[in-house]
Amino acid sequence: AQSVTQLDSHVSVSEGTPVLLRCNYSSSYSPSLFWYVQHPNKGLQLLLKYTSAATLVKGINGFEAEFKKSETSFHLTKPSAHMSDAAEYFCVVSDPYGSSNTGKLIFGQGTTLQVKP
Amino acid sequence: DSGVTQTPKHLITATGQRVTLRCSPRSGDLSVYWYQQSLDQGLQFLIQYYNGEERAKGNILERFSAQQFPDLHSELNLSSLELGDSALYFCASSVVGGGWDTQYFGPGTRLTVL
Repeated sequence: AQSVTQLDSHVSVSEGTPVLLRCNYSSSYSPSLFWYVQHPNKGLQLLLKYTSAATLVKGINGFEAEFKKSETSFHLTKPSAHMSDAAEYFCVVSDPYGSSNTGKLIFGQGTTLQVKP
Repeated sequence: DSGVTQTPKHLITATGQRVTLRCSPRSGDLSVYWYQQSLDQGLQFLIQYYNGEERAKGNILERFSAQQFPDLHSELNLSSLELGDSALYFCASSVVGGGWDTQYFGPGTRLTVL
């Protein structure tokens, strides 16, 4: 069965410093992995997506993530945090090779990113 | 703006009542998904439709049902509502509904059951 674990429920950084949000996944096959962001009282926005084409994935707003199969990790990073990055971040997995290939998404519990001035 | 629309934005109702949440997918998307976000359960997949047919079921209660219409919009019906059904309900859509698809989410419907 697939699952994702976000290792930190809350991360606090200062504006201008690097961001690291950690995610480990469990999947029987090579998964499809996503990071979504949810700003307060807003819907979910796709930050980036891994689909096995390249292990380093670049997303919107300067975010990127690296797929490491040996570590079953898909950590999200950004070189320099901005106040507008404060939000809830979700690591998400789906299983394209599952028996039904439904596209059902499995969400991690989320990481709240706080950015201090 | 993802292109997925959901109505209503907010819904307040009483226990035992029935409500209908509506979702219009992005133009060209054939698959619609419903998710529930609550404080204790997080974000959970409820159900998926593809071109009018049910494709996958997740943790959806028997009191809940959904359908996708010929124009591809979808409705989620919640009946015999309980306090614990209070949550944010998201609809998402994708082109074909497979595991490689990107799902685009609507703004959600916040349901409060009093």
